[in-house]
Amino acid sequence: DAGVIQSPRHEVTEMGQEVTLRCKPISGHDYLFWYRQTMMRGLELLIYFNNNVPIDDSGMPEDRFSAKMPNASFSTLKIQPSEPRDSAVYFCASRKAGTSSYEQYFGPGTRLTVT
Amino acid sequence: AQSVTQLDSHVSVSEGTPVLLRCNYSSSYSPSLFWYVQHPNKGLQLLLKYTSAATLVKGINGFEAEFKKSETSFHLTKPSAHMSDAAEYFCVVTHSGNTGKLIFGQGTTLQVKP
Repeated sequence: DAGVIQSPRHEVTEMGQEVTLRCKPISGHDYLFWYRQTMMRGLELLIYFNNNVPIDDSGMPEDRFSAKMPNASFSTLKIQPSEPRDSAVYFCASRKAGTSSYEQYFGPGTRLTVT
Repeated sequence: AQSVTQLDSHVSVSEGTPVLLRCNYSSSYSPSLFWYVQHPNKGLQLLLKYTSAATLVKGINGFEAEFKKSETSFHLTKPSAHMSDAAEYFCVVTHSGNTGKLIFGQGTTLQVKP
């Protein structure tokens, strides 16, 4: 079974441009999470969905960030306009509801560089 | 509230010697605890998990961890380090009351010297 798939793996863009990161969760998983990892702040939860519905977006840094999950197999994280401080690795993770352990399965990440 | 403290930001061992990565947690509920590993430029991989069953948990690649409620600790150990163990390790806590949101420690970088 394929794991969590993210694209692109690397993205370099100029300040002010729109950036869209994509994620395909593991089939059958009900929860999807977006994280950001930086040296300064470590791993931060940005937003998570349950059954395609956003549950908690309190970690989204500001209005420039938005996330959608139009169906159970696809989610996007969009930054518009991008800024150099958005440079980070963005991870998507998923898990299945009803499991007692709450373990999440992570994708390989998208390394974003904003110049 | 929940929190996780990884007591060492960096640990260096020689190949073939034991590994100990320390983690203390704080939780008002019965916790689920995890160790994840992140190799350079890779995603996070689950090493092992504790979910209120056996307190000594065995994971992949020879790692194990022991849940000690009295000490609020969940230290990660391995009897003999291998060069391929060099990576970043994250201790993570969650509980049923927060819908499974993971709380990550700051990470411990394990260096393995030949």
